[in-house]
Amino acid sequence: DIQMTHSPSSLSASVGDRITITCRASQSISNYLNWYQQKPGKAPKLLIYAASSLQSGVPSRFSGSGSGADFTLTISSLQPEDSATYYCQQSYSNPITFGQGTRLEIK
Amino acid sequence: QVQLVQFGAEVKKPGSSVKLSCRASGDTFGTYTLTWVRQAPGQGLEWMARVIPVLGITNYTQKFQGRVTFTADRSTSTAYMELNSLTSEDTAVYYCARDAPSGSDIFHFWGQGTVLIVSS
Repeated sequence: DIQMTHSPSSLSASVGDRITITCRASQSISNYLNWYQQKPGKAPKLLIYAASSLQSGVPSRFSGSGSGADFTLTISSLQPEDSATYYCQQSYSNPITFGQGTRLEIK
Repeated sequence: QVQLVQFGAEVKKPGSSVKLSCRASGDTFGTYTLTWVRQAPGQGLEWMARVIPVLGITNYTQKFQGRVTFTADRSTSTAYMELNSLTSEDTAVYYCARDAPSGSDIFHFWGQGTVLIVSS
C-alpha cells in the first residue's frame, strides 16, 4: 500500500497568512494526487485534483503543486472559513489511500 | 447535478450486520464507480471499496474481504454495502462517494454519511 504522510499534522495561522501543507507519498505517484477539505460533521470536499487542477467553484487562493512523491497545498491568503482539516489522497494505485490529515486553525 | 443520499444513523450490537444505503440521483445509476469511505471518530479517511453497482464489479481492501457484500436496486437507484461480524472498531461515519470521470478515483461527489455505532 502507498503511505501518504502530511506535514505538519496541525497548524495555526492568522487571517491573511499564506500557508503551505505538504504531503509525501511512500513511492512515486506521478500527479495522481488530490486534496480535500473537511469541516466538522461534514463530508470531504474536493479542492484540487491531479496535483494542481483547481476544482470548479473553489476559491483561487487555493493551489496545489508537485509530482512524483512530494506535493504541496497552498492557501495564499487565509480566510476564517478555511478552518478545517485537509487531506491528500493518492489515486495512483489500489488500495486508494489518504493522508492522516492536517488540521488548520485560524487564530 | 449528482446527489448521493445516505440515512443518518445506525446502532448495532457486536457480531451483528448492517446494511448501509446510498441513493443516487442526477445521473444514470449504476454505470459508474461508487466508492465507500469510512472515518472512525477523530480519525482520518479510510478507503474501503469501489463498486460498479449494476455490473457487480468490486474492489476492496484486504481487511474487509469476506465481511462485506455489495448489492444494488436499479428501481430506486440505491447502492448497498452490507458489513458483517461488526466490532466496536467498525464504529465510524460511512460515506459513499462518486468519482468523475468514472474510474479516476477523484471524488467530486459525496453523500452526507451514515453514522454507525457498534456497542453492546
